[in-house]
Amino acid sequence: AQTVTQSQPEMSVQEAETVTLSCTYDTSESNYYLFWYKQPPSRQMILVIRQEAYKQQNATENRFSVNFQKAAKSFSLKISDSQLGDTAMYFCAFMNLDDKIIFGKGTRLHILP
Amino acid sequence: DGGITQSPKYLFRKEGQNVTLSCEQNLNHDAMYWYRQDPGQGLRLIYYSQIVNDFQKGDIAEGYSVSREKKESFPLTVTSAQKNPTAFYLCASSIVDFNTEAFFGQGTRLTVV
Repeated sequence: AQTVTQSQPEMSVQEAETVTLSCTYDTSESNYYLFWYKQPPSRQMILVIRQEAYKQQNATENRFSVNFQKAAKSFSLKISDSQLGDTAMYFCAFMNLDDKIIFGKGTRLHILP
Repeated sequence: DGGITQSPKYLFRKEGQNVTLSCEQNLNHDAMYWYRQDPGQGLRLIYYSQIVNDFQKGDIAEGYSVSREKKESFPLTVTSAQKNPTAFYLCASSIVDFNTEAFFGQGTRLTVV
């Protein structure tokens, strides 16, 4: 069975700093998708970024980028120039070939003014 | 506008009663999902369905039941067998081509007293 582990339950950084959220996963499959979702206080789940396992190039979306290490089964999220609006819960997720999507327990990120 | 609608937003039930949470989508997505969110537990998969009239158990299916009679609808019944039903429930959908993320509804907060 696939598992997703987020080892940082909570983090705080100053506005404009860079922060990295960690995620590791376990699977025996060679092809899959990985995602980072943001859940602000409204509790609406918002996709931040996605990565295809067969693509070696790390995905980037504006201030958000990932460091995907397939051999290590690691998928960290880097937020550059952090903003107050980035304060939220962040979930790492794994999707397998059967479209099953598994989430980690989340990291609560606080951006401090 | 296309999207996923969960209703109601808040739901109260007495212990021992079954309750059904509604999830409807007009995105023409094939796959639909139900997750339960508890503090510190992240999102845990209850059931998911890739096609009409078929569904698979997730990691915490005990005490829950689902049906998928229409592509647009994936209702979740929380039965009296579920020991701790009070939680926040999220419904999601995605295209079944292993190429897109899941889109989420706004959630239903179920409180059993």
